[in-house]
Amino acid sequence: RKEVEQDPGPFNVPEGATVAFNCTYSNSASQSFFWYRQDCRKEPKLLMSVYSSGNEDGRFTAQLNRASQYISLLIRDSKLSDSATYLCVALYSSASKIIFGSGTRLSIRP
Amino acid sequence: EPEVTQTPSHQVTQMGQEVILRCVPISNHLYFYWYRQILGQKVEFLVSFYNNEISEKSEIFDDQFSVERPDGSNFTLKIRSTKLEDSAMYFCASTGAGVVPLGVTDTQYFGPGTRLTVL
Repeated sequence: RKEVEQDPGPFNVPEGATVAFNCTYSNSASQSFFWYRQDCRKEPKLLMSVYSSGNEDGRFTAQLNRASQYISLLIRDSKLSDSATYLCVALYSSASKIIFGSGTRLSIRP
Repeated sequence: EPEVTQTPSHQVTQMGQEVILRCVPISNHLYFYWYRQILGQKVEFLVSFYNNEISEKSEIFDDQFSVERPDGSNFTLKIRSTKLEDSAMYFCASTGAGVVPLGVTDTQYFGPGTRLTVL
């Protein structure tokens, strides 16, 4: 079983739609979680950290469910510029190892 | 805003040759990382480095790979004898501006990557 698993997509949604991604992790020792976005042939960039209490940053909401070992990302009022690959990332309690999911591709159409 | 830089942006080499990929992490950061991403595949962790030694390495990081922080500013990844399957984008990242251990508030800053092509 993959350590961090994501639906690869692609998700193809119209501008203005709400879209949600889930990510599951297998290692309960994973300490911290993040969502990154990666544009084609570019480096990953941090979108937001994920807290158990849930956190929101503008149109983006992230949630962590430790009991079920999944992380979610919700994007509201999607923009064309949201088109990218969204990477779920788990950081191990050793604090030295970071595992990326394979990414979910999102395409926003006009 | 401070940034991680990597050189070269693209390296082409012959199979069996040694390559050194260079990174300059953000100056007050303490943790350094190398990742690779084969075209069309996921970002894979290679190695983390803290306090002048390797903290963690993946199965990919075998004896062909080594890392070094030779002068307090550069962080290098050496591949001793490149193979065709080493062709990938290699990303350097840094984090941990004085926060130990790495916690949820530490952001990993990635460099733009070096595209390595092994012929």
